[in-house]
Amino acid sequence: VLTQSPATLSLSPGEGASLSCRASQRVSRYLAWYQQKPGQAPRLLIFDSSKRATGIPARFSGSGSGTDFTLTISSLEPEDFAIYYCQQRSNWPPEYSFGQGTKLEIK
Amino acid sequence: QVQLVESGGGAVQAGRSLRLSCAASGFSFSSSDMHWVRQPPGKGLEWVAVISFDGSNKYYADSVKGRFTSFRDNSENTLHLQMDSLRTDDTGVYYCAKESGSHFLDYWGRGTLVTVSS
Repeated sequence: VLTQSPATLSLSPGEGASLSCRASQRVSRYLAWYQQKPGQAPRLLIFDSSKRATGIPARFSGSGSGTDFTLTISSLEPEDFAIYYCQQRSNWPPEYSFGQGTKLEIK
Repeated sequence: QVQLVESGGGAVQAGRSLRLSCAASGFSFSSSDMHWVRQPPGKGLEWVAVISFDGSNKYYADSVKGRFTSFRDNSENTLHLQMDSLRTDDTGVYYCAKESGSHFLDYWGRGTLVTVSS
């Protein structure tokens, strides 16, 4: 089980954001982060805990290992206000799961 | 470029069946594991199923096990999800997604809406 916190984060453009994803059991490095905007499909941001996907700005970074992972946005742009999900895969059976999401809203 | 286009969604009564399809292009479909992920209205993402590149291995979320079947036609670059014994809590947008080599989903379709009524 992946637990994300906070459920909602209210910040202003230009501020930094830190989103948490905690696993109930130690997970492999295969943790990913996705961004979803209203009416759109999720978009991959970070994979393998800390690697940025193609085309993702450098202000997005991922860190963590074991059971605690963090998505950091260094300086929020207006287009960053969205919902963010973490995702992992269990070793066996190979089942995938998502956190419940963190909504990043404009303050 | 990679494209995933879902189809087959619609309104159906509980207990009935529906088959979703996902047309893939722009990548080696026959080399890629593929997933279904759903999202109930106003809620978060829920993983549904994964099928291996050759269709030989399939895994499902407990919530759909025994009711949903994923299969693929690599000659047609198409993924399918057969949904039987539908329930009202199966309502949501269903996305197909391509898996990368490291168990994350690097490309997603735009989704197709399934509405199950009682």
